[in-house]
Amino acid sequence: QLVESGGALVQPGGSLRLSCAASGFTVSDYYMSWVRQAPGKGLEWVSIIYTGGSTYYADSVKGRFTISRDTSKNTVYLQINSLRVEDTAVYYCARRFGGSRVFDIWGLGTMVTVSS
Amino acid sequence: EIVLTQSPGTLSLSPGERATLFCRASQSVSTNYLAWYQQRPGQAPTLLIYGASSRATGIPDRFSGSGSGTDFTLTISRLEPEDFAVYYCQHYGSSLYTFGQGTKLEIK
Repeated sequence: QLVESGGALVQPGGSLRLSCAASGFTVSDYYMSWVRQAPGKGLEWVSIIYTGGSTYYADSVKGRFTISRDTSKNTVYLQINSLRVEDTAVYYCARRFGGSRVFDIWGLGTMVTVSS
Repeated sequence: EIVLTQSPGTLSLSPGERATLFCRASQSVSTNYLAWYQQRPGQAPTLLIYGASSRATGIPDRFSGSGSGTDFTLTISRLEPEDFAVYYCQHYGSSLYTFGQGTKLEIK
């Protein structure tokens, strides 16, 4: 199970840290990702952290978002800086399923709204 | 960057009918890394199909996937009321993950 938290209403230019707490498995044993969905829109992959610690980002968030994890808390984070109106979305945490490069477990999401 | 284009945008069918959804890639992709998800209103996506044709755990056998190269298909053999939702295809390549824009399956 994955449970996201940390979403909020933020002004443009602001920052947030989203959390994704896992239970039933160890986040450091899996590739963990963030996927977002703007209101009424489709899914957009945002970032992933590999078991070895390597991280990758979509071009739209590179340089502004940082993914990390805390193994002692079994939690994955997404630090979001320099927020833009277009970052408004539900942010889902998802676990990658082995070598198939797909996401088999998703959280319920946390809403980030960027507005002045 | 590979672009996935899904069609149709909206599909209107009745329970019991057969649904066929399409996903076209802008260039040939590996079947190993093509997946389908279902998203019901207000819920997170659910993995249906991975590796283009393998059903995820717990997915009913009325769902099937096929295709290769640039053209992939999700088929729902007999629609149940709970199948009316939005469906997304997804691909992995070069450490990036791409989703199609979705097909909305609605009750006719």
